[in-house]
Amino acid sequence: GENVEQHPSTLSVQEGDSAVIKCTYSDSASNYFPWYKQELGKRPQLIIDIRSNVGEKKDQRIAVTLNKTAKHFSLHITETQPEDSAVYFCAASRSAGGTSYGKLTFGQGTILTVHP
Amino acid sequence: GAGVSQSPRYKVAKRGQDVALRCDPISGHVSLFWYQQALGQGPEFLTYFQNEAQLDKSGLPSDRFFAERPEGSVSTLKIQRTQQEDSAVYLCASCLLPGQSYEQYFGPGTRLTVT
Repeated sequence: GENVEQHPSTLSVQEGDSAVIKCTYSDSASNYFPWYKQELGKRPQLIIDIRSNVGEKKDQRIAVTLNKTAKHFSLHITETQPEDSAVYFCAASRSAGGTSYGKLTFGQGTILTVHP
Repeated sequence: GAGVSQSPRYKVAKRGQDVALRCDPISGHVSLFWYQQALGQGPEFLTYFQNEAQLDKSGLPSDRFFAERPEGSVSTLKIQRTQQEDSAVYLCASCLLPGQSYEQYFGPGTRLTVT
């Protein structure tokens, strides 16, 4: 099955700096890659996603890049703010014949701390 | 509108007890997932329902875990004879339709502690 590795496990930055989180996946059939933000004790929330027919996607201060050849994708947050502090999870999903229902395989998470 | 809700939010069980965790998905959502999130880890897939049909239970760790969604809306995850390794947050997510085009909306989770 799919295996998703995420690095770093913790990331500490100063407010205004950029933060980059990287993930690799093992299943070449994976074609959907969402990123979730989870604040302490709260539910995971989708912040951005990318599909395999796209190399890069941006939404305001957040961007995601995908390299299918190397099987890795990254989350970039620019101009970080204290409220960006949370745990971030990458995930991957594949189509499987006619039964693509969107099961997600998650990375281990990155604890991002943004210092004011 | 209302999001995904789960109850109870916290559950403490003695080892060997049975527990039942409830998920109320967003109304009209066809797809429903259960994930298990151990402390400091990412969620791991347990099982998937499309309406009332359980199409994938490959992630259930043992036959002590059982899930149902009899009327295609509310789902219950049952764990029999709980063990300490069952301690985790159990997340439910619902999705409007099957497939990757639709966002999975997560509930707040049930934190299960087995003592």
